[in-house]
Amino acid sequence: GQQVMQIPQYQHVQEGEDFTTYCNSSTTLSNIQWYKQRPGGHPVFLIQLVKSGEVKKQKRLTFQFGEAKKNSSLHITATQTTDVGTYFCAGPTSGTYKYIFGTGTRLKVLA
Amino acid sequence: DTEVTQTPKHLVMGMTNKKSLKCEQHMGHRAMYWYKQKAKKPPELMFVYSYEKLSINESVPSRFSPECPNSSLLNLHLHALQPEDSALYLCASSPLMTGNNEQFFGPGTRLTVL
Repeated sequence: GQQVMQIPQYQHVQEGEDFTTYCNSSTTLSNIQWYKQRPGGHPVFLIQLVKSGEVKKQKRLTFQFGEAKKNSSLHITATQTTDVGTYFCAGPTSGTYKYIFGTGTRLKVLA
Repeated sequence: DTEVTQTPKHLVMGMTNKKSLKCEQHMGHRAMYWYKQKAKKPPELMFVYSYEKLSINESVPSRFSPECPNSSLLNLHLHALQPEDSALYLCASSPLMTGNNEQFFGPGTRLTVL
């Protein structure tokens, strides 16, 4: 079945350092969404990418959708302690509207 | 109101108990979802309702029984659960099931089955 993998699984960074998580799907995606889940919290929608090669920015966060629409990345510039949490990508399974969540990357920011 | 609410926040139940989880949204969304999330794992889709009709059942055991009484409410009835069913149960909603729609998640119900 379709799989959505993320690397790294965990990342510890010093506050102020940059962070990137990569999302890879075994199949082409019509779109990809990113969610953030704080410790003890619930997933919160961050952004959606639809077009091949699309790049979107939200303040210190930069999201990219691969040309082949099978991979995506989230880059955070100059991390802050408020960035702590698990970042999930999510994409629809082929031919359906069911979103599969990626394995997630847990970010820890050391002050 | 851009919130999805879930009750209860925590639930402890025995394997012979019957309990229900409740989810509510007043955003006019016509798609509602139940997810199960184990610790340090991604959410796993269980059920999707679209316009109050069950559209997707991800082969969930019958001890989990969803219900959508109206467009704002979603219930998950639990009966004869197993300890491995202990998890965070998340409800979500989106404007529609089809198309590119962000999902709004509720805070979840943390379920422990003894």
